[in-house]
Amino acid sequence: QKEVEQDPGPLSVPEGAIVSLNCTYSNSAFQYFMWYRQYSRKGPELLMYTYSSGNKEDGRFTAQVDKSSKYISLFIRDSQPSDSATYLCAMSGGAGGTSYGKLTFGQGTILTVHP
Amino acid sequence: DSGVTQTPKHLITATGQRVTLRCSPRSGDLSVYWYQQSLDQGLQFLIQYYNGEERAKGNILERFSAQQFPDLHSELNLSSLELGDSALYFCASSWAAYNEQFFGPGTRLTVL
Repeated sequence: QKEVEQDPGPLSVPEGAIVSLNCTYSNSAFQYFMWYRQYSRKGPELLMYTYSSGNKEDGRFTAQVDKSSKYISLFIRDSQPSDSATYLCAMSGGAGGTSYGKLTFGQGTILTVHP
Repeated sequence: DSGVTQTPKHLITATGQRVTLRCSPRSGDLSVYWYQQSLDQGLQFLIQYYNGEERAKGNILERFSAQQFPDLHSELNLSSLELGDSALYFCASSWAAYNEQFFGPGTRLTVL
């Protein structure tokens, strides 16, 4: 079983829709949670960075972390065709221990927003 | 543009050869990470350096090695290349080990 599970999709939505992307994880040591966006053949771009449980909002993006359920989500409001990309969740245990700053990624969800 | 630079963008080589990938972190960042991305394995952590010292290691093959130089740039050396080493190799940097990591554009390695 993988430490981080993410539904690969693909997910296809109309422009303006609310998109919900999710990951579950098994390692209770994870404390830092990130969402990256990756366009084809490009480097991952950091969208959201959160520590521990709670919500964080940045423009059209909202990240939620529920450590008790080991479940994180990313919501995209008013989705645009330019949001079409692969979305990757990532997690780390933070400083200390042998994993230090290592990020563990989900497999990525392919999102297409059609006009 | 994340501020992380990687060279070369593309690399085509033959099995058994050795290549070096180079990464320059964002200005001010002390930590450098290397990741491998393939279709079947996804993004996998290879190794991390902080201010010149190795800090964490993932499932990095013995044929692979890396180092971080005093000017903080890093190099990933891949030797005795196999077909299965064909992948995208990304470098990321952060100010400290548990801060946000910013990724470079990657090096696409093709082993023929």
